Amino acid sequence: DAMVIQNPRYQVTQFGKPVTLSCSQTLNHNVMYWYQQKSSQAPKLLFHYYDKDFNNEADTPDNFQSRRPNTSFCFLDIRSPGLGDAAMYLCATSRTHPGEQFFGPGTRLTVL
Amino acid sequence: AQSVTQLDSHVSVSEGTPVLLRCNYSSSYSPSLFWYVQHPNKGLQLLLKYTSAATLVKGINGFEAEFKKSETSFHLTKPSAHMSDAAEYFCVVSGPLGGNTGKLIFGQGTTLQVKP
Repeated sequence: DAMVIQNPRYQVTQFGKPVTLSCSQTLNHNVMYWYQQKSSQAPKLLFHYYDKDFNNEADTPDNFQSRRPNTSFCFLDIRSPGLGDAAMYLCATSRTHPGEQFFGPGTRLTVL
Repeated sequence: AQSVTQLDSHVSVSEGTPVLLRCNYSSSYSPSLFWYVQHPNKGLQLLLKYTSAATLVKGINGFEAEFKKSETSFHLTKPSAHMSDAAEYFCVVSGPLGGNTGKLIFGQGTTLQVKP
């Protein structure tokens, strides 16, 4: 089945230690999104790629970066995680933008 | 500007009874509307979507929603709740193609509790 895959499902890092979260998709969608979801809150869009074009949300901290080396993969890099960055990180894809978004299972990040 | 309001942060029903999760939206354009469900520590799964076709939309797992433009509502219903329906539900609005940035605007979520 075509799907959105996120690895790892659970990630523990130390305060200030860089961490990378991975997302891959077999849907061959043009658009890939990264969301941050804190406990009991709605997901918050960090940025998205339309093909190779990167679109950052205005309020996304500089600490968060992203790479999309090819259609299938997209990475979220957190350069210096703080305690406030502990959250669920969701990757989503869509064929077009805007369009129906398909979500991965998420990566739960813990910062010690 | 677009916005979406879920009128109940928490809904509790007994198994086998009807479910109603309320959602009101505000949009300058003809919106696309979605309901997503999220089980604990899982990603979001699309339940159903409205994209200007039939106003009564049927989704997965017996859920449906009715788009009422006059009331700016898109309430989610199910005739008979199942224990597996216990989850967080998000009402989401998005603009039409070319109408805005295409960003999904999420409601704050409604926690559905199903009692045996």
